[in-house]
Amino acid sequence: AQTVTQSQPEMSVQEAETVTLSCTYDTSESDYYLFWYKQPPSRQMILVIRQEAYKQQNATENRFSVNFQKAAKSFSLKISDSQLGDAAMYFCAYQGNTPLVFGKGTRLSVIA
Amino acid sequence: EPEVTQTPSHQVTQMGQEVILRCVPISNHLYFYWYRQILGQKVEFLVSFYNNEISEKSEIFDDQFSVERPDGSNFTLKIRSTKLEDSAMYFCASSENGYRNNEQFFGPGTRLTVL
Repeated sequence: AQTVTQSQPEMSVQEAETVTLSCTYDTSESDYYLFWYKQPPSRQMILVIRQEAYKQQNATENRFSVNFQKAAKSFSLKISDSQLGDAAMYFCAYQGNTPLVFGKGTRLSVIA
Repeated sequence: EPEVTQTPSHQVTQMGQEVILRCVPISNHLYFYWYRQILGQKVEFLVSFYNNEISEKSEIFDDQFSVERPDGSNFTLKIRSTKLEDSAMYFCASSENGYRNNEQFFGPGTRLTVL
């Protein structure tokens, strides 16, 4: 069975600085998708960024980028120029031939 | 921008009672999902629904659970006889199609407390 591990329950970053959230996963599949979802306090989860496993190029969305290391089964999220609105729970998720599998999440605090 | 909505935001019930959690998916979406998150644990998939049928379900989704699309807009999760361990956040989601890369849009969740 696929598993997703986020080893950092909490992280903090100064406003305007860069932070990296870690995610590793375990799978025997070769074709799959990886996602980062953001859940602000009392709000719904929204998709931040997605990565297709067969694409070597790392996905980027404005200030958000990933470092996808397929051989290492690692999928970290980098947030550049952090803003107060980035404070949220961040969930890493995997989807292969099964439904979405989530990690436990990392709570990110942004310090003004 | 269209959003998935869920009601109620918080439901308190007695053990053994039936509860119905309601969701309104985004109107042109065809696939619907329920997930749950027990406090401090991972978000877990419960069930997916397409064309008025369950397309996939997890081991958690036992006979106590059922889903229904009673009309053209609502998507409901029923727990027939709640147990203490059913206390969790329940998230509804919808997507345009069932492809693996297709974004799932999540609702804000219903917090279910079973006493």
